[in-house]
Amino acid sequence: KAGVTQTPRYLIKTRGQQVTLSCSPISGHRSVSWYQQTPGQGLQFLFEYFSETQRNKGNFPGRFSGRQFSNSRSEMNVSTLELGDSALYLCASSLGTGGNTGELFFGEGSRLTVL
Amino acid sequence: GQNIDQPTEMTATEGAIVQINCTYQTSGFNGLFWYQQHAGEAPTFLSYNVLDGLEEKGRFSSFLSRSKGYSYLLLKELQMKDSASYLCAVRDLDSGYALNFGKGTSLLVTP
Repeated sequence: KAGVTQTPRYLIKTRGQQVTLSCSPISGHRSVSWYQQTPGQGLQFLFEYFSETQRNKGNFPGRFSGRQFSNSRSEMNVSTLELGDSALYLCASSLGTGGNTGELFFGEGSRLTVL
Repeated sequence: GQNIDQPTEMTATEGAIVQINCTYQTSGFNGLFWYQQHAGEAPTFLSYNVLDGLEEKGRFSSFLSRSKGYSYLLLKELQMKDSASYLCAVRDLDSGYALNFGKGTSLLVTP
């Protein structure tokens, strides 16, 4: 069973640009969550999508947005990039429904560097 | 919001036992998770506790006390490959299925 796939794995952008990251969840998983990981702050929750609807949102500015498609694939977008947006962006998938532990399966991440 | 605290760094010797503590404050506790993350890799699931007590899984065990807002991860017979970051995460009813993570404990296993 294929794992969570994130693309691209590495990218470099300059301040003011925008970026789109993609995540393909494990087959059958309907929930996709996005996290930002930095050395100082650890893993911080961005948002969660389930069946194409944003079900939860973390405490990030509106420059961070996302969406989920009917095949459960998800994208997140960051507009007007700032230096502080440099981080590892992790996507995690889960079944997303009750009756299970809700264990998250993480992708390898997309490492964004903003210059 | 939630406060999840765990030590930043720990060092232990190969073959020994180490306990990594995690304390949390949440209004609607709905499960506590431990993840392992090797440098440059994705976090991987280790354990899940929702009821008080000890869950054992091979060399790893996790304990939860909901009344104290406290959990620990116990690693026995440490191996060099256990050097990694260990992440404590809490699920809150108000956050649905999202997990809120602590900043992680970096464990170094020495020969």
